[in-house]
Amino acid sequence: AQKVTQAQTEISVVEKEDVTLDCVYETRDTTYYLFWYKQPPSGELVFLIRRNSFDEQNEISGRYSWNFQKSTSSFNFTITASQVVDSAVYFCALSVMGGAQKLVFGQGTRLTINP
Amino acid sequence: GAGVSQTPSNKVTEKGKYVELRCDPISGHTALYWYRQSLGQGPEFLIYFQGTGAADDSGLPNDRFFAVRPEGSVSTLKIQRTERGDSAVYLCASSLTVWERIEDDEQFFGPGTRLTVL
Repeated sequence: AQKVTQAQTEISVVEKEDVTLDCVYETRDTTYYLFWYKQPPSGELVFLIRRNSFDEQNEISGRYSWNFQKSTSSFNFTITASQVVDSAVYFCALSVMGGAQKLVFGQGTRLTINP
Repeated sequence: GAGVSQTPSNKVTEKGKYVELRCDPISGHTALYWYRQSLGQGPEFLIYFQGTGAADDSGLPNDRFFAVRPEGSVSTLKIQRTERGDSAVYLCASSLTVWERIEDDEQFFGPGTRLTVL
């Protein structure tokens, strides 16, 4: 069985601070995919990134960066120079090969950026 | 707009009643998913369709829940004898295909239907 844990329930920072959202996953499969989604107050899940289990290269997209470490089963997400518009609930998710891309989500981290 | 749409956006019902929730996927998407998101939790998988058939219904909590997709497009999630514990946001997602090209497998989510059982 697969499991995703986001230990941080809520984070609150002041605008322009950097913030890291933690994600730890469990799976026995060797081929899997990791995701981050953003859920703004409107409720619609917005896809941010997908990584496969064979690619541990970190990724940067603008103010967003992701750190994937198989040794610790972690896939952390960092926002640099945070902005008020980054306020949302962020979900980490996992799917496995052969699992029809059935997503297993963590509990989510509510991020509040204060002006 | 060509996104996933769900109706109704809100549904309030009484315990014991029957409800239907509708999902219109993105045109041409063959895969369709239903998830349930309880308050303060992440979405939980319910069922997945590839075309008209339910390829994986392992997430349906019990036999009160049933979903159909008769023509391979619109899907309806049906809940019989609703209980207060069924209150949640029901999310639908669709993707172009599954596992042929990972780029085509991105799931696009709808805004959800908030179900409240009194």
